[in-house]
Amino acid sequence: EAQVTQNPRYLITVTGKKLTVTCSQNMNHEYMSWYRQDPGLGLRQIYYSMNVEVTDKGDVPEGYKVSRKEKRNFPLILESPSPNQTSLYFCASSLSNIFPYEQYFGPGTRLTVT
Amino acid sequence: QQQVKQSPQSLIVQKGGISIINCAYENTAFDYFPWYQQFPGKGPALLIAIRPDVSEKKEGRFTISFNKSAKQFSLHIMDSQPGDSATYFCAASMDSNYQLIWGAGTKLIIKP
Repeated sequence: EAQVTQNPRYLITVTGKKLTVTCSQNMNHEYMSWYRQDPGLGLRQIYYSMNVEVTDKGDVPEGYKVSRKEKRNFPLILESPSPNQTSLYFCASSLSNIFPYEQYFGPGTRLTVT
Repeated sequence: QQQVKQSPQSLIVQKGGISIINCAYENTAFDYFPWYQQFPGKGPALLIAIRPDVSEKKEGRFTISFNKSAKQFSLHIMDSQPGDSATYFCAASMDSNYQLIWGAGTKLIIKP
Protein backbone atom coordinates (compact mmCIF):
# COMPACT_ATOMS: atom_id res chain seq x y z
CA GLU A 1 0.00 0.00 0.00
CA ALA A 2 1.33 3.42 -1.00
CA GLN A 3 1.74 5.48 2.12
CA VAL A 4 3.65 7.94 4.24
CA THR A 5 4.37 6.71 7.75
CA GLN A 6 5.37 8.76 10.77
CA ASN A 7 6.59 7.71 14.18
CA PRO A 8 5.77 8.24 16.90
CA ARG A 9 2.12 9.27 16.54
CA TYR A 10 2.06 10.86 19.99
CA LEU A 11 4.93 12.23 22.03
CA ILE A 12 5.10 14.08 25.32
CA THR A 13 8.52 15.38 26.24
CA VAL A 14 10.23 18.00 28.37
CA THR A 15 11.96 21.21 27.36
CA GLY A 16 15.45 20.66 26.02
CA LYS A 17 15.32 16.90 25.50
CA LYS A 18 16.36 16.14 21.92
CA LEU A 19 13.87 14.17 19.86
CA THR A 20 13.46 12.82 16.34
CA VAL A 21 10.25 12.22 14.45
CA THR A 22 10.71 9.76 11.63
CA CYS A 23 9.01 9.93 8.23
CA SER A 24 9.15 7.32 5.52
CA GLN A 25 7.43 6.97 2.13
CA ASN A 26 7.25 3.96 -0.17
CA MET A 27 6.23 5.75 -3.38
CA ASN A 28 9.71 6.69 -4.64
CA HIS A 29 8.80 10.38 -4.39
CA GLU A 30 11.54 12.95 -4.84
CA TYR A 31 9.83 15.71 -2.87
CA MET A 32 9.27 15.51 0.88
CA SER A 33 8.18 18.13 3.35
CA TRP A 34 7.43 18.76 7.00
CA TYR A 35 4.55 20.91 8.21
CA ARG A 36 3.20 21.95 11.54
CA GLN A 37 -0.52 22.51 12.04
CA ASP A 38 -1.79 24.90 14.68
CA PRO A 39 -5.41 26.03 15.23
CA GLY A 40 -6.29 29.07 13.15
CA LEU A 41 -2.94 29.05 11.34
CA GLY A 42 -3.43 26.26 8.84
CA LEU A 43 -0.35 24.33 7.80
CA ARG A 44 3.04 25.99 7.88
CA GLN A 45 6.00 24.46 6.14
CA ILE A 46 9.06 23.78 8.26
CA TYR A 47 11.52 22.25 5.79
CA TYR A 48 11.33 20.56 2.44
CA SER A 49 13.58 18.41 0.29
CA MET A 50 13.64 18.18 -3.48
CA ASN A 51 15.78 15.06 -3.47
CA VAL A 52 18.48 13.18 -1.56
CA GLU A 53 20.96 15.52 0.14
CA VAL A 54 18.93 18.59 -0.94
CA THR A 55 16.98 20.39 1.80
CA ASP A 56 15.57 23.91 2.09
CA LYS A 57 13.95 26.03 4.75
CA GLY A 58 10.23 26.58 4.70
CA ASP A 59 8.35 29.32 6.48
CA VAL A 60 9.06 28.31 10.09
CA PRO A 61 12.42 26.47 10.24
CA GLU A 62 13.72 27.89 13.54
CA GLY A 63 14.35 25.20 16.14
CA TYR A 64 14.19 22.32 13.66
CA LYS A 65 16.66 20.27 11.63
CA VAL A 66 16.14 17.74 8.88
CA SER A 67 18.24 15.37 6.84
CA ARG A 68 17.68 13.45 3.60
CA LYS A 69 20.26 10.72 3.36
CA GLU A 70 17.93 8.28 1.63
CA LYS A 71 15.11 8.98 -0.80
CA ARG A 72 12.45 7.31 1.33
CA ASN A 73 13.29 8.87 4.73
CA PHE A 74 13.06 12.45 5.95
CA PRO A 75 13.42 12.70 9.75
CA LEU A 76 12.58 15.87 11.68
CA ILE A 77 14.93 16.67 14.55
CA LEU A 78 14.24 18.98 17.46
CA GLU A 79 17.61 19.52 19.14
CA SER A 80 16.23 21.43 22.13
CA PRO A 81 12.43 21.40 22.11
CA SER A 82 10.54 24.29 23.66
CA PRO A 83 6.85 24.60 24.63
CA ASN A 84 6.12 26.75 21.54
CA GLN A 85 6.92 23.69 19.43
CA THR A 86 3.89 21.90 20.86
CA SER A 87 1.93 21.19 17.72
CA LEU A 88 0.61 18.61 15.27
CA TYR A 89 3.28 17.68 12.74
CA PHE A 90 2.75 16.24 9.29
CA CYS A 91 5.19 14.76 6.83
CA ALA A 92 4.23 14.80 3.15
CA SER A 93 5.69 13.57 -0.13
CA SER A 94 4.96 14.04 -3.82
CA LEU A 95 6.29 13.55 -7.31
CA SER A 96 5.82 17.32 -7.67
CA ASN A 97 6.45 17.56 -11.39
CA ILE A 98 3.13 16.17 -12.64
CA PHE A 99 -0.17 18.05 -12.24
CA PRO A 100 -2.08 17.99 -9.88
CA TYR A 101 1.12 17.87 -7.84
CA GLU A 102 -0.62 15.86 -5.16
CA GLN A 103 1.06 15.82 -1.77
CA TYR A 104 0.49 12.64 0.22
CA PHE A 105 0.38 13.23 3.95
CA GLY A 106 1.30 10.99 6.82
CA PRO A 107 -1.10 10.45 9.76
CA GLY A 108 0.49 13.15 11.91
CA THR A 109 2.53 13.30 15.11
CA ARG A 110 1.06 15.15 18.06
CA LEU A 111 3.92 16.61 20.09
CA THR A 112 3.58 18.15 23.53
CA VAL A 113 6.57 19.89 25.10
CA THR A 114 6.23 20.70 28.81
CA GLN B 1 1.67 39.14 -0.39
CA GLN B 2 2.28 35.48 0.27
CA GLN B 3 -0.92 35.00 2.25
CA VAL B 4 -3.99 33.02 1.33
CA LYS B 5 -7.05 34.19 3.26
CA GLN B 6 -9.78 31.61 3.80
CA SER B 7 -13.32 32.13 5.04
CA PRO B 8 -15.41 31.23 6.89
CA GLN B 9 -13.53 29.68 9.80
CA SER B 10 -16.45 27.33 10.41
CA LEU B 11 -19.60 26.45 8.54
CA ILE B 12 -22.74 24.48 9.34
CA VAL B 13 -24.89 23.29 6.44
CA GLN B 14 -27.99 21.14 6.34
CA LYS B 15 -27.78 17.81 4.55
CA GLY B 16 -28.54 18.31 0.88
CA GLY B 17 -27.52 21.96 0.92
CA ILE B 18 -24.62 23.72 -0.83
CA SER B 19 -21.45 24.38 1.12
CA ILE B 20 -19.31 27.29 -0.07
CA ILE B 21 -15.82 28.10 1.15
CA ASN B 22 -13.90 31.09 -0.16
CA CYS B 23 -10.23 31.95 -0.53
CA ALA B 24 -8.44 35.10 -1.65
CA TYR B 25 -4.82 35.67 -2.56
CA GLU B 26 -2.58 38.61 -3.38
CA ASN B 27 0.36 37.19 -5.27
CA THR B 28 -0.49 37.17 -8.98
CA ALA B 29 2.39 34.77 -9.59
CA PHE B 30 0.43 31.93 -8.00
CA ASP B 31 -0.62 29.49 -10.69
CA TYR B 32 -1.80 26.42 -8.85
CA PHE B 33 -4.73 26.28 -6.44
CA PRO B 34 -5.58 23.01 -4.67
CA TRP B 35 -8.15 22.17 -2.04
CA TYR B 36 -7.36 19.60 0.62
CA GLN B 37 -9.80 17.75 2.88
CA GLN B 38 -8.84 16.64 6.37
CA PHE B 39 -10.81 14.27 8.60
CA PRO B 40 -10.15 14.19 12.36
CA GLY B 41 -7.03 12.21 13.20
CA LYS B 42 -5.88 12.07 9.59
CA GLY B 43 -3.54 14.00 7.35
CA PRO B 44 -4.95 16.27 4.64
CA ALA B 45 -5.75 14.66 1.29
CA LEU B 46 -6.01 16.36 -2.09
CA LEU B 47 -9.63 16.90 -3.07
CA ILE B 48 -9.46 18.94 -6.26
CA ALA B 49 -7.08 21.42 -7.89
CA ILE B 50 -7.19 24.07 -10.58
CA ARG B 51 -4.83 26.07 -12.75
CA PRO B 52 -5.72 29.70 -13.64
CA ASP B 53 -6.27 28.92 -17.31
CA VAL B 54 -9.78 27.69 -16.48
CA SER B 55 -12.57 29.38 -14.49
CA GLU B 56 -14.19 26.26 -13.15
CA LYS B 57 -13.39 22.63 -12.48
CA LYS B 58 -15.89 20.03 -11.38
CA GLU B 59 -15.32 16.60 -9.90
CA GLY B 60 -18.50 14.90 -8.79
CA ARG B 61 -20.20 17.07 -6.18
CA PHE B 62 -17.12 19.26 -5.73
CA THR B 63 -16.50 22.35 -7.87
CA ILE B 64 -13.74 24.94 -7.80
CA SER B 65 -14.70 28.36 -9.14
CA PHE B 66 -11.79 30.63 -10.01
CA ASN B 67 -11.91 34.39 -10.55
CA LYS B 68 -8.51 35.55 -11.74
CA SER B 69 -9.34 39.27 -11.88
CA ALA B 70 -10.66 39.26 -8.30
CA LYS B 71 -7.86 36.95 -7.12
CA GLN B 72 -10.40 34.67 -5.49
CA PHE B 73 -11.31 31.02 -5.69
CA SER B 74 -13.95 29.00 -3.96
CA LEU B 75 -15.01 25.44 -3.25
CA HIS B 76 -18.63 24.47 -3.73
CA ILE B 77 -19.96 21.19 -2.36
CA MET B 78 -23.32 20.33 -3.88
CA ASP B 79 -25.83 18.09 -2.11
CA SER B 80 -23.67 18.17 1.03
CA GLN B 81 -23.63 14.94 3.04
CA PRO B 82 -22.72 14.18 6.67
CA GLY B 83 -19.66 12.32 5.34
CA ASP B 84 -18.39 15.65 3.96
CA SER B 85 -17.95 16.93 7.51
CA ALA B 86 -14.24 17.73 7.70
CA THR B 87 -11.78 20.59 7.69
CA TYR B 88 -11.07 22.04 4.26
CA PHE B 89 -7.91 23.89 3.33
CA CYS B 90 -7.28 25.98 0.26
CA ALA B 91 -3.71 26.57 -0.88
CA ALA B 92 -1.72 28.26 -3.61
CA SER B 93 1.71 27.96 -5.11
CA MET B 94 3.93 28.87 -7.97
CA ASP B 95 5.19 25.91 -9.95
CA SER B 96 8.70 27.13 -9.66
CA ASN B 97 9.17 26.69 -5.91
CA TYR B 98 6.94 23.74 -4.99
CA GLN B 99 5.90 25.50 -1.78
CA LEU B 100 2.23 25.53 -0.92
CA ILE B 101 0.88 28.57 0.91
CA TRP B 102 -2.09 27.39 2.97
CA GLY B 103 -5.28 29.03 4.09
CA ALA B 104 -6.21 28.75 7.79
CA GLY B 105 -8.85 26.08 7.18
CA THR B 106 -12.65 25.82 7.39
CA LYS B 107 -14.35 23.36 9.68
CA LEU B 108 -17.45 22.13 7.87
CA ILE B 109 -20.27 20.37 9.68
CA ILE B 110 -23.14 18.86 7.72
CA LYS B 111 -26.23 18.41 9.87
CA PRO B 112 -28.37 15.36 9.07
